[in-house]
Amino acid sequence: EVQLAQSGAEVRKPGESLKISCQASGYSFSTYWIGWVRQMPGQGLEWVAIIYPTDSSARYTPSFQGRVTISADKSISTAYLQWRSLKASDTAMYYCVRRVVVTATPPAHDSFDIWGQGTMVTVSS
Amino acid sequence: DIQMTQSPSSLSASVGDRVTITCRASQSITTYFNWYQQKPGKAPNLLIYAASSLQSGVPSRFSGSGSGTDFTLTISSLQPEDFATYYCQQSYSTPFTFGPGTKVDI
Repeated sequence: EVQLAQSGAEVRKPGESLKISCQASGYSFSTYWIGWVRQMPGQGLEWVAIIYPTDSSARYTPSFQGRVTISADKSISTAYLQWRSLKASDTAMYYCVRRVVVTATPPAHDSFDIWGQGTMVTVSS
Repeated sequence: DIQMTQSPSSLSASVGDRVTITCRASQSITTYFNWYQQKPGKAPNLLIYAASSLQSGVPSRFSGSGSGTDFTLTISSLQPEDFATYYCQQSYSTPFTFGPGTKVDI
């Protein structure tokens, strides 16, 4: 079964660092993009970043660029999202997602077909 | 960035009703368009990809249509388990933006 298992809830103070993880299983980790989606309390979904584990190519939503770092370790099929200095506004649920891209067979498509269970990050003094 | 809008933002319906949710992109995205369902306290779930293709395991009462800038999600006969928020998403270009969501109350 294809699964994304995320690390547990975290509570930090403003200014602290944090790294959350997402371990993939049931598929070839290196051959799919994997990324993160943020959901602030009571709000909608925001795409944060994605990475291609084979060559570590990464894409960020401009509003998150410089605030977070996405990385991946192929040897343990795990993706990470890291902050160097958290703010209260980073408080949110963060979902890990697998991106599936199909171009060779119609219909061409690009979607997030597998989601992790979510990691709640709370930043409060 | 491509902006996505949805309407309505919320709706109330009864079991058995036909429900339609629309989504509009700020520019043409061909059919690089997806719908997701999120039930309370749960992670979102892919319903429809490429505007009209049903994801494996999704009931056939869900259907999608559209291309270019205008898209529609239809639930042909609403069931109690369809109480959820529905999000559209464009995957034409990064950043892959989501619509603000439509909350469906039964």
